[in-house]
Amino acid sequence: GQNIDQPTEMTATEGAIVQINCTYQTSGFNGLFWYQQHAGEAPTFLSYNVLDGLEEKGRFSSFLSRSKGYSYLLLKELQMKDSASYLCAVTDSNYQLIWGAGTKLIIKP
Amino acid sequence: ETGVTQTPRHLVMGMTNKKSLKCEQHLGHNAMYWYKQSAKKPLELMFVYSLEERVENNSVPSRFSPECPNSSHLFLHLHTLQPEDSALYLCASSQDQGSGANVLTFGAGSRLTVL
Repeated sequence: GQNIDQPTEMTATEGAIVQINCTYQTSGFNGLFWYQQHAGEAPTFLSYNVLDGLEEKGRFSSFLSRSKGYSYLLLKELQMKDSASYLCAVTDSNYQLIWGAGTKLIIKP
Repeated sequence: ETGVTQTPRHLVMGMTNKKSLKCEQHLGHNAMYWYKQSAKKPLELMFVYSLEERVENNSVPSRFSPECPNSSHLFLHLHTLQPEDSALYLCASSQDQGSGANVLTFGAGSRLTVL
């Protein structure tokens, strides 16, 4: 079966750096997404990786290794507003989106 | 208004009620989706419409009935639901459907409670 694994919950301190990991086993691969979802709000698109390597966007970076079936989202200079759930999703060979259950990130002062 | 708008934001219904969820997008997108989001579970795709035609129905019980009258509007009609159907129902849209870099724009969701 197809599966996306990510930690259920993580805690980090304001100003610090946190890395949220995502591993996947899917039938084929056509890209990996990260979405952010604040409580009670819509998920919003953060990043898309289809080639190996690191994509940087301001304080957020996303890394992909297709050979390892692995990605991470790196958040730097954490702010209280970064407290949210982070959803990892992979597009399989049929262009179906397979979702992880999300990682709830708690930022403490 | 811009983006994807869902109404109502909150809905409480009995198991014998009939209600509808509404979704509207003003992005000019060609594809629209219904997802179910339950606590600590992955998003579950329910229905996909592309150019107003249903292209996917992921074995969803018939008590959920979608309707897409045009490319901007999507409804989810609810009838004789069960308590386990209580969840957040998310609507999303994308420019097209069936590509790798298909970015979804989500609405804020309708929180449904079935008593």
